[in-house]
Amino acid sequence: KQEVTQIPAALSVPEGENLVLNCSFTDSAIYNLQWFRQDPGKGLTSLLLIQSSQREQTSGRLNASLDKSSGRSTLYIAASQPGDSATYLCAVRGASGSARQLTFGSGTQLTVLP
Amino acid sequence: DVKVTQSSRYLVKRTGEKVFLECVQDMDHENMFWYRQDPGLGLRLIYFSYDVKMKEKGDIPEGYSVSREKKERFSLILESASTNQTSMYLCASSRFDEKLFFGSGTQLSVL
Repeated sequence: KQEVTQIPAALSVPEGENLVLNCSFTDSAIYNLQWFRQDPGKGLTSLLLIQSSQREQTSGRLNASLDKSSGRSTLYIAASQPGDSATYLCAVRGASGSARQLTFGSGTQLTVLP
Repeated sequence: DVKVTQSSRYLVKRTGEKVFLECVQDMDHENMFWYRQDPGLGLRLIYFSYDVKMKEKGDIPEGYSVSREKKERFSLILESASTNQTSMYLCASSRFDEKLFFGSGTQLSVL
């Protein structure tokens, strides 16, 4: 059974710093991987989706990378801002692409200090 | 812009009541999902649907049922609400195996 781990559970950084969030998964046979942010009491907002054949995806200050063989993905946030404070979750879809095979990590709570 | 709308942000119900949570998406997506999110337990899949009138159980379907009579609408039903169903409920949709889009969530309290 796929397991998705996000370490650390919480991270605090000063404004302006570049940072990396980690996501690891136990079964490298994946279809795609998606990163989300969640603000307190709200739903999840999709940030980036990486297909299994891709190595990275970029959107503005965000860059997500994928290394299937090692079972790892990272989300790089450049020049962090207080507005980036949120919980960041990754979700892995199994190799068949089935909706049944979505596994979420428990998230990293990011605080960017002004 | 993509939109998944959940009918209520906050809901308070009594034990034993029948509860309906509604979700509507405007993107013509085939897949729709219901998750619950609890501190320390993360997101857990309750049910999902891959087509009109089609449904499949997720990891924790006990005490819940669903209905998908139209492609854009997916309803979650708590047949007889219990206190352990107090939770944040999240609806999501996607086109086949593509990006997942979430609604803003319904915080349900069962007293």
